[in-house]
Amino acid sequence: GEDVEQSLFLSVREGDSSVINCTYTDSSSTYLYWYKQEPGAGLQLLTYIFSNMDMKQDQRLTVLLNKKDKHLSLRIADTQTGDSAIYFCAESIGNTPLVFGKGTRLSVIA
Amino acid sequence: ETGVTQSPTHLIKTRGQQVTLRCSSQSGHNTVSWYQQALGQGPQFIFQYYREEENGRGNFPPRFSGLQFPNYSSELNVNALELDDSALYLCASSLGISGGVGRNEQYFGPGTRLTVT
Repeated sequence: GEDVEQSLFLSVREGDSSVINCTYTDSSSTYLYWYKQEPGAGLQLLTYIFSNMDMKQDQRLTVLLNKKDKHLSLRIADTQTGDSAIYFCAESIGNTPLVFGKGTRLSVIA
Repeated sequence: ETGVTQSPTHLIKTRGQQVTLRCSSQSGHNTVSWYQQALGQGPQFIFQYYREEENGRGNFPPRFSGLQFPNYSSELNVNALELDDSALYLCASSLGISGGVGRNEQYFGPGTRLTVT
């Protein structure tokens, strides 16, 4: 079965880098996603990575995938107060439904 | 390009009542998925509609039902509401390809906050 695990909380100082980690169990996963949820809002797709990739960079965001360990991370460079939110890792196999972790609450201290 | 919209924003119902939530998909998208997000949890998949047909269902009882219309908008109906149904209900649209293997890039609406008392 599918299961996605994340640490629940992360606190960083403004300007530092944030690293949010995620582990998943289904080795068949083809796409892995990072979503951001701000208070009272829906989910915003930040980035995704295909399972045959090791790394993807998109402006301040870097996604690293270790397929052997089924470990995914999201690095946010130069973290700003506007990055404070809950970050969800999600996996899918092709067009199957997304399976989400419980989310990591990122707090940015000014 | 219009994003995913949901109505209503908030709703308060009494246990045992029925509720209908609505979702308009993003322009050009033919697939709608519904998720339930309880407080402090990640979203849980309820079901998905592709071209007006149910295309997968999560571990939710039959009192959760849905519908997709020819314009690809969708409804989620919940009968016999229970206190545990209190949650944020999220709708997501995507460009699905039946049986295909591809990126399942889903775009979410702002959600409907349902409170059951």
